[in-house]
Amino acid sequence: GQNIDQPTEMTATEGAIVQINCTYQTSGFNGLFWYQQHAGEAPTFLSYNVLDGLEEKGRFSSFLSRSKGYSYLLLKELQMKDSASYLCAVTLYGQNFVFGPGTRLSVLP
Amino acid sequence: DAGVIQSPRHEVTEMGQEVTLRCKPISGHNSLFWYRQTMMRGLELLIYFNNNVPIDDSGMPEDRFSAKMPNASFSTLKIQPSEPRDSAVYFCASSLDRVDQPQHFGDGTRLSIL
Repeated sequence: GQNIDQPTEMTATEGAIVQINCTYQTSGFNGLFWYQQHAGEAPTFLSYNVLDGLEEKGRFSSFLSRSKGYSYLLLKELQMKDSASYLCAVTLYGQNFVFGPGTRLSVLP
Repeated sequence: DAGVIQSPRHEVTEMGQEVTLRCKPISGHNSLFWYRQTMMRGLELLIYFNNNVPIDDSGMPEDRFSAKMPNASFSTLKIQPSEPRDSAVYFCASSLDRVDQPQHFGDGTRLSIL
């Protein structure tokens, strides 16, 4: 079967850096998405990694290690508006995909 | 450009009633996804279509749930008969073509079955 793990909750302080991890055990791994979901709203796309390494997009960066079955989302210069759930989703060969359980991030002043 | 449009935004109905949720994907998108989200179970994929054809419906809970996509611009998710445990937020999303392309989500339908 397919298994994706994320920490359930994290707390960080405004202005700090936080790393949200996603580990997966899947067959036929193709790539990994990160989505952000504010409370009461729909998920929105953040990033998609296919190759190993770090991809940076402003304050947000996403890292992938295919050999380790591991990804993380790095948020720098945290702002209060970054309080949200962060979902990773793995895409598989054969047009299948699986969402992780999500990590709820609280940013404190 | 208009995003994914879902209706209704909220639905409250009594147990046993039929519920129909509607979705209009982004024009030009060939893949459409229906999800259910609850606190307990997170975001669950129910079914997804590509070019109006169901590709994976393994997440559809049981025979009470059915989904159709009669054309490229419209899809429905129907629950008949509804039960209190079906209460959740139902999201529709679309992507250009494949699952390795970003999905764009609608605002969701918040469904309460009394």
